[in-house]
Amino acid sequence: GENVEQHPSTLSVQEGDSAVIKCTYSDSASNYFPWYKQELGKRPQLIIDIRSNVGEKKDQRIAVTLNKTAKHFSLHITETQPEDSAVYFCAARFTGGGNKLTFGTGTQLKVEL
Amino acid sequence: SAVISQKPSRDICQRGTSLTIQCQVDSQVTMMFWYRQQPGQSLTLIATANQGSEATYESGFVIDKFPISRPNLTFSTLTVSNMSPEDSSIYLCSVERSSGVGEQYFGPGTRLTVT
Repeated sequence: GENVEQHPSTLSVQEGDSAVIKCTYSDSASNYFPWYKQELGKRPQLIIDIRSNVGEKKDQRIAVTLNKTAKHFSLHITETQPEDSAVYFCAARFTGGGNKLTFGTGTQLKVEL
Repeated sequence: SAVISQKPSRDICQRGTSLTIQCQVDSQVTMMFWYRQQPGQSLTLIATANQGSEATYESGFVIDKFPISRPNLTFSTLTVSNMSPEDSSIYLCSVERSSGVGEQYFGPGTRLTVT
């Protein structure tokens, strides 16, 4: 089955700096890669996603890049703000998986003033 | 995105009892899923709830322990049976509007504590 590794597990940045979270996946047939943000006590929120036919996608301060050859994808947050502090999960869906998502282990991002 | 609600939002239950969690969506969706999230952990898929047929369970999860119903395209239930303290967790439903589109949205979750 699919396996998704996520790094780092914790990340602390100063407000205004950039943050990068990286994920690797095992199944080369994976075709969809979403990122979720989960604030304490809240549900995971879909913040951005990318499909296998695209190399990069940007939405204001967040962007996701995909390298299919290396089987890894990354979340980039620029100009970080305190409200970006949360746990971020990457996920991957492979075509033979019945639309199931496999999630990474999560990254606790802390943006310090 | 769809509006998803879950009931109850939280509960404290005695070991050996069962709890049924409901997930309601404001519009018809193709796919519904049930996840478990233990404290400080990632999301683990329990099963895919199939409309009109038996749910598809992931490795490590069985129907006798987690029976699931999905009578229509907007509603599903997950029962946690014969509970033990190890079942204490957050249970979340998620939906995907159209099969193959990929975008999944989560319900608010049910926080279960088993004493």
